[in-house]
Amino acid sequence: SQQGEEDPQALSIQEGENATMNCSYKTSINNLQWYRQNSGRGLVHLILIRSNEREKHSGRLRVTLDTSKKSSSLLITASRAADTASYFCATDSTQGGSEKLVFGKGTKLTVNP
Amino acid sequence: DGGITQSPKYLFRKEGQNVTLSCEQNLNHDAMYWYRQDPGQGLRLIYYSQIVNDFQKGDIAEGYSVSREKKESFPLTVTSAQKNPTAFYLCASSLRGPNTEAFFGQGTRLTVV
Repeated sequence: SQQGEEDPQALSIQEGENATMNCSYKTSINNLQWYRQNSGRGLVHLILIRSNEREKHSGRLRVTLDTSKKSSSLLITASRAADTASYFCATDSTQGGSEKLVFGKGTKLTVNP
Repeated sequence: DGGITQSPKYLFRKEGQNVTLSCEQNLNHDAMYWYRQDPGQGLRLIYYSQIVNDFQKGDIAEGYSVSREKKESFPLTVTSAQKNPTAFYLCASSLRGPNTEAFFGQGTRLTVV
C-alpha cells in the first residue's frame, strides 16, 4: 500500500507563480522526503524533513511538516519552466521489523512560459 | 563517478520468458530498492534489501525475484508468473535505509511483445 498521497494530481501554473503541493500519509513517520522526476527519468532527491522539524528551506523550495495532521507541503517559489516535472513525497514505513521507503502517486506540475 | 546504474534502458520480453534487470551502485550504500511505475500509479515497491544476503518483499512482489549476493548489486528477475510486466522499473539505493536520501538509476522500460 502507498503511504503518501499527493494533492493535487496535476497542477498547471504560469512562470513566476508559486506552486504548492500537498502530501498526506497514514502512519507515524521518522522523516518525509520530496523527490522530483522528469518524464521518463529516475527520481532526484529534493529535501528531507525529520519528524521533529516543522519547516525546512532549500533554495526556492520550502517544505512544511505537520505530524498532528499527518501532512506535508512543498512550495516552489518563483517557478520556472524548468520546474516542470512530477513531484513525489516518500516516507519511511516499518514492516515486520524492516524499514522501507514508500512513495505516493505524485503531483504533475506544468509551468507555462 | 559514484552513482547507481540500471541496464538495459529498454528491454523487450516475449510472453513466457524470464528477464533480469541489472542494478549496480558504487556508493557503498547498504539499502537497495526496486520500484515499478505505471502511468498514474506512482511508484510501487517490489522488493527491498537493507543488507547483503537479506531482502524483503514489498507491496507487489508476486511474479518477481531478487538476489543480494554483493553489496553493489541487486538484480531483479521478472518471471513468467508476472502477468502484466510492461512498466517502467526503477532501482534506488540509500546509505542506511529510508531515513537517508535515496539515489535512483535512470530506469528500465520493459515491454512485453
